[in-house]
Amino acid sequence: EAQVTQNPRYLITVTGKKLTVTCSQNMNHEYMSWYRQDPGLGLRQIYYSMNVEVTDKGDVPEGYKVSRKEKRNFPLILESPSPNQTSLYFCASSLEGNQPQHFGDGTRLSIL
Amino acid sequence: AQSVAQPEDQVNVAEGNPLTVKCTYSVSGNPYLFWYVQYPNRGLQFLLKYITGDNLVKGSYGFEAEFNKSQTSFHLKKPSALVSDSALYFCAVRDRGFKTIFGAGTRLFVKA
Repeated sequence: EAQVTQNPRYLITVTGKKLTVTCSQNMNHEYMSWYRQDPGLGLRQIYYSMNVEVTDKGDVPEGYKVSRKEKRNFPLILESPSPNQTSLYFCASSLEGNQPQHFGDGTRLSIL
Repeated sequence: AQSVAQPEDQVNVAEGNPLTVKCTYSVSGNPYLFWYVQYPNRGLQFLLKYITGDNLVKGSYGFEAEFNKSQTSFHLKKPSALVSDSALYFCAVRDRGFKTIFGAGTRLFVKA
């Protein structure tokens, strides 16, 4: 089944404790992206990647890191999480830039 | 600044009546336009897209969207609403470099 898989689905952690949210897609897609969803703000793009080793900042990259060492994986790293990063996070992928994105089921992060 | 606006937080419609969910954008160039739907505790699902060509685009589940270049709008429509259409709808605009901006979302309630 074609899918984007995120882990974990839920995480409660504390300020400053490094965490990684994994994202993997099995569709051989070139493009991958991370978003955060906050009430009233819709989805905001954090980082995106157009190919292996090619990444770029979205609208809200501060406090996040990404890497794209393999085509299928695009982990999101929070080196020193803070409470304002409490949010619902989505990973997405698409075959090409003009194609729709396939979304994971989301990761709900709570930073205390 | 580039932006996407969904002017209505919520749209209420009776089952069987037509529905419209509005989207306007301010993004340079000729961006790609998308509509997605989100059901509770799920990721976003693709409904339809406009890349080029006819201004009326047909998509999944009987939805269609009308592109208006002069008004930079991309309104989502359906001739006859179903209760099962009740969900959160997002308009998204992607530039040619894969940077993507989402609207804040419109919650659709269809009353039986």
